[in-house]
Amino acid sequence: AQKITQTQPGMFVQEKEAVTLDCTYDTSDQSYGLFWYKQPSSGEMIFLIYQGSYDEQNATEGRYSLNFQKARKSANLVISASQLGDSAMYFCAMREEMNYGGSQGNLIFGKGTKLSVKP
Amino acid sequence: DTEVTQTPKHLVMGMTNKKSLKCEQHMGHRAMYWYKQKAKKPPELMFVYSYEKLSINESVPSRFSPECPNSSLLNLHLHALQPEDSALYLCASSQGRKRAAKGRTFGSGTRLTVV
Repeated sequence: AQKITQTQPGMFVQEKEAVTLDCTYDTSDQSYGLFWYKQPSSGEMIFLIYQGSYDEQNATEGRYSLNFQKARKSANLVISASQLGDSAMYFCAMREEMNYGGSQGNLIFGKGTKLSVKP
Repeated sequence: DTEVTQTPKHLVMGMTNKKSLKCEQHMGHRAMYWYKQKAKKPPELMFVYSYEKLSINESVPSRFSPECPNSSLLNLHLHALQPEDSALYLCASSQGRKRAAKGRTFGSGTRLTVV
């Protein structure tokens, strides 16, 4: 069965420094997608970055990059130049690639990491 | 502004009340989802609609009743809820393709309190 593990319940980072949030996954599928979402206290789940299992290059989106190590089954999120607005809960998720009659496969979430950025 | 709009943002209801949560998207997505999220936990999938038909029900109690009137709207009808149903209810939508890179777009959620 698919599983996502985030081992850091909480992290602190100084403003303007970089931080890495860990994520490991377990799956027997060859094709899958990995996502990171940010959830501020307001509740909205904000998509940050996506990595496909067949993508050879690590994904990047602005200050976010995904350190994808397929053999180790890890998909760590790196946030460069942290800002106070980055304080939030961060979820790593994996999408099953089964196609439920037109919808995307289920998203399996990790337990999340609460990031706090200190001024 | 989020592209998936949920109303109301907050809802307090008694255990005998009937209420509805609403979700709307205009991105042309053909799949829509309801998630339930308890405090300090990840979201849990409840229902999936694909092309306006219910395709997944994750063994959700019948006091939760989803409805998809058209491709842009998704409702969740609530009746005889229990205090343990208090949670953040998130709606999401997605393209129908298996490997769409953006995944699904979430709304801001409805914070439901059952008293």
